[in-house]
Amino acid sequence: EAGVTQFPSHSVIEKGQTVTLRCDPISGHDNLYWYRRVMGKEIKFLLHFVKESKQDESGMPNNRFLAERTGGTYSTLKVQPAELEDSGVYFCASSQGFEQYFGPGTRLTVT
Amino acid sequence: GNSVTQMEGPVTLSEEAFLTINCTYTATGYPSLFWYVQYPGEGLQLLLKATKADDKGSNKGFEATYRKETTSFHLEKGSVQVSDSAVYFCALHHGSGNTGKLIFGQGTTLQVKP
Repeated sequence: EAGVTQFPSHSVIEKGQTVTLRCDPISGHDNLYWYRRVMGKEIKFLLHFVKESKQDESGMPNNRFLAERTGGTYSTLKVQPAELEDSGVYFCASSQGFEQYFGPGTRLTVT
Repeated sequence: GNSVTQMEGPVTLSEEAFLTINCTYTATGYPSLFWYVQYPGEGLQLLLKATKADDKGSNKGFEATYRKETTSFHLEKGSVQVSDSAVYFCALHHGSGNTGKLIFGQGTTLQVKP
């Protein structure tokens, strides 16, 4: 069974540009989460989907971030326009029960 | 609000040394507690968990006991190996039922030297 996959693994963009991160959860998992780790600090929750609906988006930092989950399958996280402080590692996780399974993360660098 | 505090890293040990990584938490109620590990170039993996007070989670020689009285969940291993070099994250589960977000500590980097 394939795990959670994320694309791209790395992205380097300039301030003001747009970047879209993608997450493919484990097949059949209704719950999908986005987290972010900035500058070696703690991993912080961004939002939680149940199927295609946003269950909790309390961690989204501002309206430059837009998350979607079309058809309740894969999810995208778009940052537009990107700022320097958006640099970090973005993790996706999925679950059907209690345990969350994480992807390898996307390292975003905004210069 | 809920939070998790881990000891500052990096932690550098020689092979076969004893490991302790401290973790304390602040939470309402009694959340489930976790240790996740991130090996170089890989994603986060669940290492162990405990769902109620006095539970001991264990896996791959690592152990952690859920201590309600000290609000702690310290990670220990009796004899570390070079392959244990990784970043370790303590986390608590915030939510009802089976879903809900994880709240993480800042991570502790462990380097084990041969």
